[in-house]
Amino acid sequence: SQQGEEDPQALSIQEGENATMNCSYKTSINNLQWYRQNSGRGLVHLILIRSNEREKHSGRLRVTLDTSKKSSSLLITASRAADTASYFCATDAETGGFKTIFGAGTRLFVKA
Amino acid sequence: NAGVTQTPKFQVLKTGQSMTLQCAQDMNHEYMSWYRQDPGMGLRLIHYSVGAGITDQGEVPNGYNVSRSTTEDFPLRLLSAAPSQTSVYFCASSYRGGPNTDTQYFGPGTRLTVL
Repeated sequence: SQQGEEDPQALSIQEGENATMNCSYKTSINNLQWYRQNSGRGLVHLILIRSNEREKHSGRLRVTLDTSKKSSSLLITASRAADTASYFCATDAETGGFKTIFGAGTRLFVKA
Repeated sequence: NAGVTQTPKFQVLKTGQSMTLQCAQDMNHEYMSWYRQDPGMGLRLIHYSVGAGITDQGEVPNGYNVSRSTTEDFPLRLLSAAPSQTSVYFCASSYRGGPNTDTQYFGPGTRLTVL
């Protein structure tokens, strides 16, 4: 079964609005990563947050991590049409070897 | 650097045929992995390797074999293709795996159809 589950499954917003995606996971982790996938392409790494970090920023991206709730959120501020993509969280479990497990993703559509 | 390369980009097989999907990286990464992505879903880990000569199973290893004879290459073999293996396959690599896992770099994918 997949470790991470994103919510919502799909999100449609207007350009300029903020987009928030959430990820929940099941077991203790070493780190959590967010990736973007444009249609028909490979995944591109966005940001990594370690289990001892609570918040991280990268440009218009803000990621939070709450290990007590086993959840993370990705906020994209001032969204652009080019942000239209699927977004996945991925976790490296604290136990279970060197496995990175992906969630099912949130499909974001930003209308111009 | 070319990054992570995958060949072929597209492949059509008949049920029962075997084939090898190629993956190579030129970043001297220790960790390499194979994922499959079915329509509308996330990636599921098939096999991974933490270095040359070391491989291990992921979430969905049945029907696939891997080997890692060099740091650069990590081929994925389908032993006897089945329609359930129709999917897009992604190879990825990163500098370190496990507790210090770094950014994973993905190849462009191989779209496989099994008839």
